[in-house]
Amino acid sequence: DGGITQSPKYLFRKEGQNVTLSCEQNLNHDAMYWYRQDPGQGLRLIYYSQIVNDFQKGDIAEGYSVSREKKESFPLTVTSAQKNPTAFYLCASHLGQAATEAFFGQGTRLTVV
Amino acid sequence: AQSVTQPDIHITVSEGASLELRCNYSYGATPYLFWYVQSPGQGLQLLLKYFSGDTLVQGIKGFEAEFKRSQSSFNLRKPSVHWSDAAEYFCAVGEQTGNQFYFGTGTSLTVIP
Repeated sequence: DGGITQSPKYLFRKEGQNVTLSCEQNLNHDAMYWYRQDPGQGLRLIYYSQIVNDFQKGDIAEGYSVSREKKESFPLTVTSAQKNPTAFYLCASHLGQAATEAFFGQGTRLTVV
Repeated sequence: AQSVTQPDIHITVSEGASLELRCNYSYGATPYLFWYVQSPGQGLQLLLKYFSGDTLVQGIKGFEAEFKRSQSSFNLRKPSVHWSDAAEYFCAVGEQTGNQFYFGTGTSLTVIP
């Protein structure tokens, strides 16, 4: 079945460490997104990519980095510069055409210990 | 600027009662509109979408929504709520070009027996 896979589901990080969250899709979608979710704040866009080897910053990109070397993959690195990284992270993909919906992965909960 | 407002942070209904979740949007053109549902610790699942045509759209799990252009609203309704409907509900607007999505802050639904 086609879908989006995020791994791991739970991730613990020590302060000062970088950590990478995986997002893979087999939907043949051009566009991929990373969102951060905190209680009461909805979904905030971190980065998005509309095509391989190209990506743009979203509303809260500081302290995060991404790459898009393959159409299927859009990993997110949470760097030590991110001051408050504990959150639920959601990856999504989109066909890249108008009038279509975004599909979401199951999320990764990152906790800084 | 595009925005989505869900004025109700939390709603409690009795099982079997009707439900209406409110969503208002601000968008310069005719929007693409979505309702997603999220169970705790999970990703977002699409309930229904509106792109054009009939302003009353049917979705999964017995949900429906009505697009009212004059009120810039896209309210979600269900005639009889089930205990399994307890979740977080997000309204979203999709761009006609640019592939961006804008999410509301969500409405948490509690269903009491």
